[in-house]
Amino acid sequence: AQRVTQPEKLLSVFKGAPVELKCNYSYSGSPELFWYVQYSRQRLQLLLRHISRESIKGFTADLNKGETSFHLKKPFAQEEDSAMYYCALSGAAAGNKLTFGGGTRVLVKP
Amino acid sequence: KAGVTQTPRYLIKTRGQQVTLSCSPISGHRSVSWYQQTPGQGLQFLFEYFSETQRNKGNFPGRFSGRQFSNSRSEMNVSTLELGDSALYLCASLRDIPNTGELFFGEGSRLTVL
Repeated sequence: AQRVTQPEKLLSVFKGAPVELKCNYSYSGSPELFWYVQYSRQRLQLLLRHISRESIKGFTADLNKGETSFHLKKPFAQEEDSAMYYCALSGAAAGNKLTFGGGTRVLVKP
Repeated sequence: KAGVTQTPRYLIKTRGQQVTLSCSPISGHRSVSWYQQTPGQGLQFLFEYFSETQRNKGNFPGRFSGRQFSNSRSEMNVSTLELGDSALYLCASLRDIPNTGELFFGEGSRLTVL
């Protein structure tokens, strides 16, 4: 079975401070990991995926297979980063089915 | 390009009734998935359709069903509604060529069961 855990429901940081959102997963095969984001009054959208290994809006995430983690990081948080963030996993056997974590709400204070 | 469109956006039903939700994917996307979002259970996968065939199914009772038409539009149906079916139902489409794994979500249909 595949499972995604986001231990923090809420992260509150000051503008300019670093932010790290934790994501741990459980999957027996080779997973594909994603971070999706939902800004206020907007639809859920892809932020980044581990395969592309790129930085989006200053965010990066590294897949650590040994620790089964895919934490999302940004060195200097901005107020516009305030949103709901979901870590998600897709496995080869599951096709395009995504298993989502419970989500972390990030609040960036001025 | 128009995004994923879901109708209706809001609806209220009573227990025992049935409901049909509709989803129009992005033009050219042949895969459509449905998710249920609730405060308690979060985002849960319902099913995925590709070229009118159900390709994947989540762990929901048989009261939840879906279908896809030749133009890739999809509908999901919930029969014999229960209070616990109150949720935001999200539809997502996937570009299959190339398949980057990125899901494009609609704004959702919010169902309230009284």
